[in-house]
Amino acid sequence: DTAVSQTPKYLVTQMGNDKSIKCEQNLGHDTMYWYKQDSKKFLKIMFSYNNKELIINETVPNRFSPKSPDKAHLNLHINSLELGDSAVYFCASSQESSGANVLTFGAGSRLTVL
Amino acid sequence: AQSVTQLGSHVSVSEGALVLLRCNYSSSVPPYLFWYVQYPNQGLQLLLKYTSAATLVKGINGFEAEFKKSETSFHLTKPSAHMSDAAEYFCAVTVDYKLSFGAGTTVTVRA
Repeated sequence: DTAVSQTPKYLVTQMGNDKSIKCEQNLGHDTMYWYKQDSKKFLKIMFSYNNKELIINETVPNRFSPKSPDKAHLNLHINSLELGDSAVYFCASSQESSGANVLTFGAGSRLTVL
Repeated sequence: AQSVTQLGSHVSVSEGALVLLRCNYSSSVPPYLFWYVQYPNQGLQLLLKYTSAATLVKGINGFEAEFKKSETSFHLTKPSAHMSDAAEYFCAVTVDYKLSFGAGTTVTVRA
């Protein structure tokens, strides 16, 4: 069983479209995250939810909207896609939100905007 | 603010040789430090973490890292590289409960 699963794995779309990426974890963790990895492999946190509550909201365009229907799911919706949104998006989860916690990552969703 | 700097974006080693990946952190308080590995087309997985219990930390796959406060370093080593160690390695530090990553080091292993 995959601990943190993301769908879709690959997404190719046109500029201006709206798309969603879904994430689910079966680890019983309380905290979930979205990270963006750019073409130079640099990883940056975007959002974090703890028990369905938003706790980290980095400087991300408001075209990006996370939603956590329950603590096992964290989805990412992106409106009006731009070329610069092309990246690999990683979902992750951790037991709680403290600094020592280890993150478990999904396999990533590669978004290509044409 | 705390951050990490990885020295060397690319390291090439021969199979069986020592692997040394450098990471320096900036922190005014004892940090939580991590090394993660990313194999091609996969997510990141934890190699090891430092949480002040011991300065020499052993991780998976024969890797270890030593926390040196005087040098603000947390370098990752493996005595003998294997072909399967070819991957991207990330040093990370917790900043305000957020995991902040270094730029990564690509390791290639020559047969």
